[in-house]
Amino acid sequence: GESVGLHLPTLSVQEGDNSIINCAYSNSASDYFIWYKQESGKGPQFIIDIRSNMDKRQGQRVTVLLNKTVKHLSLQIAATQPGDSAVYFCAESVSGGYQKVTFGTGTKLQVIP
Amino acid sequence: ETGVTQTPRHLVMGMTNKKSLKCEQHLGHNAMYWYKQSAKKPLELMFVYNFKEQTENNSVPSRFSPECPNSSHLFLHLHTLQPEDSALYLCASSQQETGELFFGEGSRLTVL
Repeated sequence: GESVGLHLPTLSVQEGDNSIINCAYSNSASDYFIWYKQESGKGPQFIIDIRSNMDKRQGQRVTVLLNKTVKHLSLQIAATQPGDSAVYFCAESVSGGYQKVTFGTGTKLQVIP
Repeated sequence: ETGVTQTPRHLVMGMTNKKSLKCEQHLGHNAMYWYKQSAKKPLELMFVYNFKEQTENNSVPSRFSPECPNSSHLFLHLHTLQPEDSALYLCASSQQETGELFFGEGSRLTVL
């Protein structure tokens, strides 16, 4: 079946370094991808998204890269801060509005002060 | 303040109890969702409502009963639950055209 998955369950990064969180997806029909951040005790929060007609999109300290050839998505966080410690989920969907969004299992990012 | 408010934040219930989870969104969105989040598992979509009409029921057991009286409110009625139903239940909303989900902070449910 179709699935979205993450390579690593936990990632530890030194404060100030860059973080890279990876995600693989298998539904070739997916054309909309989203990264969410979930802090302890809170619901997931939108970080950044990208559509399949792009291969890179930048936000504030975050960059999402999409490689459709190998069905790979990554989230890069520049100058990682303690406040970035959270679980990060990638999600995929086929565009059409309130479409079903398929989430990965999540990667826990731990920032070492 | 995320614009999506869920109550209660924590709920403990026995298997014979009946309780309800409530969600309210203040964002003017036209779609609302219930997700289940269990430890070490991906977020599972349970129900989708679009303009108050249920458009998705993801093979959820009948002991979970959703209700959407209007575009701003969503309920999840619970009865005769099982211990394996213990999880974080997340409500979300979105504008149909964009698809970006806005989540509430969840209701942590424990079934004894």
